[in-house]
Amino acid sequence: DAGVIQSPRHEVTEMGQEVTLRCKPISGHNSLFWYRQTMMRGLELLIYFNNNVPIDDSGMPEDRFSAKMPNASFSTLKIQPSEPRDSAVYFCASSLGIGMNTEAFFGQGTRLTVV
Amino acid sequence: AQKITQTQPGMFVQEKEAVTLDCTYDTSDQSYGLFWYKQPSSGEMIFLIYQGSYDEQNATEGRYSLNFQKARKSANLVISASQLGDSAMYFCAMREGSTSYGKLTFGQGTILTVHP
Repeated sequence: DAGVIQSPRHEVTEMGQEVTLRCKPISGHNSLFWYRQTMMRGLELLIYFNNNVPIDDSGMPEDRFSAKMPNASFSTLKIQPSEPRDSAVYFCASSLGIGMNTEAFFGQGTRLTVV
Repeated sequence: AQKITQTQPGMFVQEKEAVTLDCTYDTSDQSYGLFWYKQPSSGEMIFLIYQGSYDEQNATEGRYSLNFQKARKSANLVISASQLGDSAMYFCAMREGSTSYGKLTFGQGTILTVHP
């Protein structure tokens, strides 16, 4: 089992540029979550999908952020235009089912630096 | 209001001793689940232990146990016989029954340092 795969692992970009983060969930998992981790705000849930459908995007900070899940094996988180305050580690996680005891499996994260 | 509160930003423990990491939660749901995750310096998130709101026994997984006090809404993680490799950030998280599709809400985390 390859686990949740995120790419790239590290991204450095200039302010104003478009950034796309990618995630491949564990095969067969039907829920996918995007989290952002910063020192100040901890782990924040940005958006989550179930069966490829966005369920709750209330955590997306502003319109510059968008996420898609075109199929069960791929999701993207896009920031356009990027700003220095977007610098953070972005995690993708997936889970099987929606049971109370269903653990979420996390990817290794993408460390984004916007200069 | 914070759903998950971890009041200890940092904790220190001597190797081979036990340590308790605090977690309190806030929910009006009767059905919920509580999780602990470990994040070592390498950055990955590792699932440690789960406790369901209806579970009568405290959860245990090897050296990890969860001290679940439902009336006090606390779910403290106990690590017995600490090892140097236990040094990491620890997160408490909750899934509420009324929340669709299983989203997890995390606390701010506690940094644990194990001294030799």
